[in-house]
Amino acid sequence: DQQVKQNSPSLSVQEGRISILNCDYTNSMFDYFLWYKKYPAEGPTFLISISSIKDKNEDGRFTVFLNKSAKHLSLHIVPSQPGDSAVYFCAAREMNRDDKIIFGKGTRLHILP
Amino acid sequence: EPEVTQTPSHQVTQMGQEVILRCVPISNHLYFYWYRQILGQKVEFLVSFYNNEISEKSEIFDDQFSVERPDGSNFTLKIRSTKLEDSAMYFCASQAANTGELFFGEGSRLTVL
Repeated sequence: DQQVKQNSPSLSVQEGRISILNCDYTNSMFDYFLWYKKYPAEGPTFLISISSIKDKNEDGRFTVFLNKSAKHLSLHIVPSQPGDSAVYFCAAREMNRDDKIIFGKGTRLHILP
Repeated sequence: EPEVTQTPSHQVTQMGQEVILRCVPISNHLYFYWYRQILGQKVEFLVSFYNNEISEKSEIFDDQFSVERPDGSNFTLKIRSTKLEDSAMYFCASQAANTGELFFGEGSRLTVL
């Protein structure tokens, strides 16, 4: 039962272009969403989050968009840089449930020179 | 910047042996987690810990697993009798109370032979 789905296992994007990573969820009780980035042999690091009361949150080159009706969120990276090559995990938390955050399977992003 | 530290970084053990993975979470955080990632697969939730007891656990977290925070700083994951399929990267995380953001350690790689 995958409550958080990242349907693209990998994505290749030219350096300087926009990278768009997608995530879908099934649990309507999720109210807080997070994106994590993971390099090989390291733990995931937090990138950006969004509360369900918003539809957009921006932090530098990273923007997360939330479409609650479609139960869909996306992470936009503009412009993409070589250091952005990593695995990106979408994660979600249920309302009033600080004790469990569910991760998607991840999308491996390759930034091409 | 405060960080979550994990030891050992890599442990090799024989099937059936007990393993203890250690984590020092960020000191003013309240929730602590263990996740694991089997090679090439998704990051899976194992257990969360709050107020010195398990708050939530997944189906993976069976009787072979236990967690404790014996001295108020270290947060340990014990696997009583390891199986081959326990081979994975185990990540500890602690959670900031105000943002809900998880801070991950660099992981402990467990190899069961």
